[in-house]
Amino acid sequence: DQQVKQNSPSLSVQEGRISILNCDYTNSMFDYFLWYKKYPAEGPTFLISISSIKDKNEDGRFTVFLNKSAKHLSLHIVPSQPGDSAVYFCAARDEGGTSYGKLTFGQGTILTVHP
Amino acid sequence: NAGVMQNPRHLVRRRGQEARLRCSPVKGHSHVYWYRQLPEEGLKFMVYLQKENIIDESGMPKERFSAEFPKEGPSILRIQQVVRGDSAAYFCASSPVGNTEAFFGQGTRLTVV
Repeated sequence: DQQVKQNSPSLSVQEGRISILNCDYTNSMFDYFLWYKKYPAEGPTFLISISSIKDKNEDGRFTVFLNKSAKHLSLHIVPSQPGDSAVYFCAARDEGGTSYGKLTFGQGTILTVHP
Repeated sequence: NAGVMQNPRHLVRRRGQEARLRCSPVKGHSHVYWYRQLPEEGLKFMVYLQKENIIDESGMPKERFSAEFPKEGPSILRIQQVVRGDSAAYFCASSPVGNTEAFFGQGTRLTVV
């Protein structure tokens, strides 16, 4: 039962353009959402997060949008840079859970930004 | 400021052997989480530990897997009698208290031959 889904396995974008990564979830108990970036042979690195009481959070080139009614969130990267090429994971926390560290992850989307 | 340290980075075991994966959390962090990533999949939660206590092991396989986080020393994820299906990347994460984002280590890549 995949509670967090990233339906696009890969995304290719030109440098300078916008990258939009999508994530859908099914568990209405999720109250906090995070995006992680992962390079090969490294651990995930926290990128940005959003609480379920908000619909947008922005940090520099990264913006996360949350649509609770659609159970959908997206990560926008503007402008995209070649160094952004990595695997991006969407993750969610259950409000009934014991801590922020217990997360449910999506399968990941491989982002490639071409110069 | 050292981050989460995992060792070894790569571990090769023959079927039936034991695998021990170590995780030293960020200094001052008392909460540790273990995740497993199978090929072509996302990370799956395994277990959440605080010092000397297992808080949530709902993601741990019922047999062969165990975890500990002693008062002194690193957290250990132990896999007994490994099988080929145990081949995966195992990630450890730590947090200072239960209500902050956790920081991940670089992972241990276990290969069972």
